[in-house]
Amino acid sequence: AQSVTQLDSHVSVSEGTPVLLRCNYSSSYSPSLFWYVQHPNKGLQLLLKYTSAATLVKGINGFEAEFKKSETSFHLTKPSAHMSDAAEYFCVVSDRNNDMRFGAGTRLTVKP
Amino acid sequence: GAVVSQHPSWVICKSGTSVKIECRSLDFQATTMFWYRQFPKQSLMLMATSNEGSKATYEQGVEKDKFLINHASLTLSTLTVTSAHPEDSSFYICSAREIKGSGNQPQHFGDGTRLSIL
Repeated sequence: AQSVTQLDSHVSVSEGTPVLLRCNYSSSYSPSLFWYVQHPNKGLQLLLKYTSAATLVKGINGFEAEFKKSETSFHLTKPSAHMSDAAEYFCVVSDRNNDMRFGAGTRLTVKP
Repeated sequence: GAVVSQHPSWVICKSGTSVKIECRSLDFQATTMFWYRQFPKQSLMLMATSNEGSKATYEQGVEKDKFLINHASLTLSTLTVTSAHPEDSSFYICSAREIKGSGNQPQHFGDGTRLSIL
């Protein structure tokens, strides 16, 4: 069985400051991990994915995430938040059967 | 690349009518498409997995006669909400997974359909 836990339901940062969205996973096998972003009344856009290659994954819009097997974590970071980053973020784990499990989501607020 | 188009984006209709939502992969082929339902401020709930040329696989608790899924081609899946009632009002999102390579491919999502039943 696999699952994913997003540790914060809401994160608020000031524009220009770093962003950290936390995600821990549980999986019986070597997982694939994804981060998606959802803006209001929109579908989900893939930010980045980890599929057993490099542990530090760079995505779009300046986001990156690091896969840490020892900590079963896949936290999403960005050095400097922009107002347009305000959205809902989902961490997703996928097993070898390609079944995806979504986290509960983290709402990112960016203050001017 | 990897664009998924979902139509309509918003629909309002009377109770008792049926509503069809289309999901198309525009620049890739997808043997598998997924239909999700999302309640306000909540994560996505998988309703069913749509397989091209075969019957959809429904998640536990999802009524297959209520939510009819057809996946007639490698680029199109449809979800029909039959005899819709106010409790069916929700945000429905489809996704598609590319046929390529090995390993887990990500799902690419449509922009969703806001369904409001009066």
